Amino acid sequence: AQTVTQSQPEMSVQEAETVTLSCTYDTSESDYYLFWYKQPPSRQMILVIRQEAYKQQNATENRFSVNFQKAAKSFSLKISDSQLGDAAMYFCASQPGGGADGLTFGKGTHLIIQP
Amino acid sequence: EPEVTQTPSHQVTQMGQEVILRCVPISNHLYFYWYRQILGQKVEFLVSFYNNEISEKSEIFDDQFSVERPDGSNFTLKIRSTKLEDSAMYFCASSVPRGDEQYFGPGTRLTVT
Repeated sequence: AQTVTQSQPEMSVQEAETVTLSCTYDTSESDYYLFWYKQPPSRQMILVIRQEAYKQQNATENRFSVNFQKAAKSFSLKISDSQLGDAAMYFCASQPGGGADGLTFGKGTHLIIQP
Repeated sequence: EPEVTQTPSHQVTQMGQEVILRCVPISNHLYFYWYRQILGQKVEFLVSFYNNEISEKSEIFDDQFSVERPDGSNFTLKIRSTKLEDSAMYFCASSVPRGDEQYFGPGTRLTVT
């Protein structure tokens, strides 16, 4: 079984600043994937970034990057140059590499962008 | 850009009634999923479907739930006898291989009264 923990229920950042959202996970799998999904008020789930656990290099997508610490089972999301449109719930998720298990989500972090 | 669609967007039903939630996954995807999100809570996995059969299911997915892919495009979730606690947003998702991005539909908000 996998568990995902997001310890920050809410974070606030000034527009154009950088913010880091924390996530830790636990898994007995050797092969797994990690994700960050964004859920704006519309409640649509949108993939922000994806990391394959066997890759040491941290994933990057434009202003979004992760700090993947495999030994510590930590997977934080850094958002640079925060924009008003980044305001949303952010969910960290994991998925085992084998089979077709679904995603295991954390409880989410509500990100507020201060203009 | 291809997208996952879900109907209806909002369904209101009375306790004890059967509901069917419908999803059309992206056409070349092979893995299909249902999730639910009770208001204010995290998204929870219900079931995955591959090669015309259930691949994995969670503890939530009990005998009240069933899934079906009745034709080449639709993927349905049936709740046989709804309970108040089934009120939630239900998301369908699909992916090409496992581990790849799961594309989520916009969700169906189910309200059980």
